[in-house]
Amino acid sequence: DQQVKQNSPSLSVQEGRISILNCDYTNSMFDYFLWYKKYPAEGPTFLISISSIKDKNEDGRFTVFLNKSAKHLSLHIVPSQPGDSAVYFCAASANRRNDMRFGAGTRLTVKP
Amino acid sequence: DTGVSQDPRHKITKRGQNVTFRCDPISEHNRLYWYRQTLGQGPEFLTYFQNEAQLEKSRLLSDRFSAERPKGSFSTLEIQRTEQGDSAMYLCASSRGGGVEYFGPGTRLTVT
Repeated sequence: DQQVKQNSPSLSVQEGRISILNCDYTNSMFDYFLWYKKYPAEGPTFLISISSIKDKNEDGRFTVFLNKSAKHLSLHIVPSQPGDSAVYFCAASANRRNDMRFGAGTRLTVKP
Repeated sequence: DTGVSQDPRHKITKRGQNVTFRCDPISEHNRLYWYRQTLGQGPEFLTYFQNEAQLEKSRLLSDRFSAERPKGSFSTLEIQRTEQGDSAMYLCASSRGGGVEYFGPGTRLTVT
């Protein structure tokens, strides 16, 4: 059951421009959302999170936006850098339960 | 903080054999999680421990799978009578309470 969906398998942007990665979810009980970044041969690395009581959380070049009515969240990276090239996973959980659900990932390529 | 470590990083085994993986979490993290990731998909939750107690198991965790965390520190995941469908990346993560989960590099299992 695909409760978390990342419909774009890949995204390519130019260095210095904005990268926008999208994620949709179906379970209205989800109240905590995270983004992870994964390089080849490594485990996912935590990037940024947001609770459902907020609609925006910012950390340096990374901002996550949450639209609860649309069951949609997005990750903005500004400005994008070649080192940002990786697979990005969106994840969600309900009531801080431990069975976090992940999307299938979006491969971001930032071209110099 | 040396991060989450997993051993081995790669395992090739023949169908029907048993395999065991080890995970060492970040020290002072009381929660430990196991996930499985197949090609093109995000991590799928298998099970989690709080200290030495296994508190939740996914329906993905068949009877051939068993996980332990005997002293509340490292954990092992054993797969008995491996099948080709068990081929995947097995990821371990740890967290302090219900906080952000930090992942290890994973163990890639290939069943021939």
